[in-house]
Amino acid sequence: GESVGLHLPTLSVQEGDNSIINCAYSNSASDYFIWYKQESGKGPQFIIDIRSNMDKRQGQRVTVLLNKTVKHLSLQIAATQPGDSAVYFCAENSPGGYNKLIFGAGTRLAVHP
Amino acid sequence: ETGVTQSPTHLIKTRGQQVTLRCSSQSGHNTVSWYQQALGQGPQFIFQYYREEENGRGNFPPRFSGLQFPNYSSELNVNALELDDSALYLCASSFDGQMNTEAFFGQGTRLTVV
Repeated sequence: GESVGLHLPTLSVQEGDNSIINCAYSNSASDYFIWYKQESGKGPQFIIDIRSNMDKRQGQRVTVLLNKTVKHLSLQIAATQPGDSAVYFCAENSPGGYNKLIFGAGTRLAVHP
Repeated sequence: ETGVTQSPTHLIKTRGQQVTLRCSSQSGHNTVSWYQQALGQGPQFIFQYYREEENGRGNFPPRFSGLQFPNYSSELNVNALELDDSALYLCASSFDGQMNTEAFFGQGTRLTVV
């Protein structure tokens, strides 16, 4: 199938290293954020979310950090594996009373053995 | 797998034609949102349906319309197709149509307009 994110910035890491993917969001009023992973030919897959009353949240091998002062999100992946290779999007929930997600441009993560 | 299913998976249409895409939401979810993802970009919000009514709309023209059925499945209709409508169309289901709940995406329908 066609590739997602042909012209996206790429982060290349060695298998076993930690990865950090960064994202700047647009709306200071946004109060809910999600990281998605998208493999070629597939829909976005939910990884982890964080609400604006938190600055850090941990999942299995993943950590999301939120810095509201500078409107910045990061996704940390520990012990990166080849299966982590994909395009990663951050999304913010736009204020307005319903789940309208605004997606960032995406970052391609390439994991090398 | 998220439990959100979309059909068809691929579709080729001619400029000016009309297309209908379908989405079945995850069990227990009553809200469906539609997104358009052009190649190399993040998904863009088209609109959302909650309890069979449109519950918010992005910056898309009226030729993009939708429906939600009593079983919460949904359709996206696009009239007068243009070449720029070629994209991956994604639906996402969530619960309750409110803010700050997880949205789970289907695999998408790849639409090519020629």
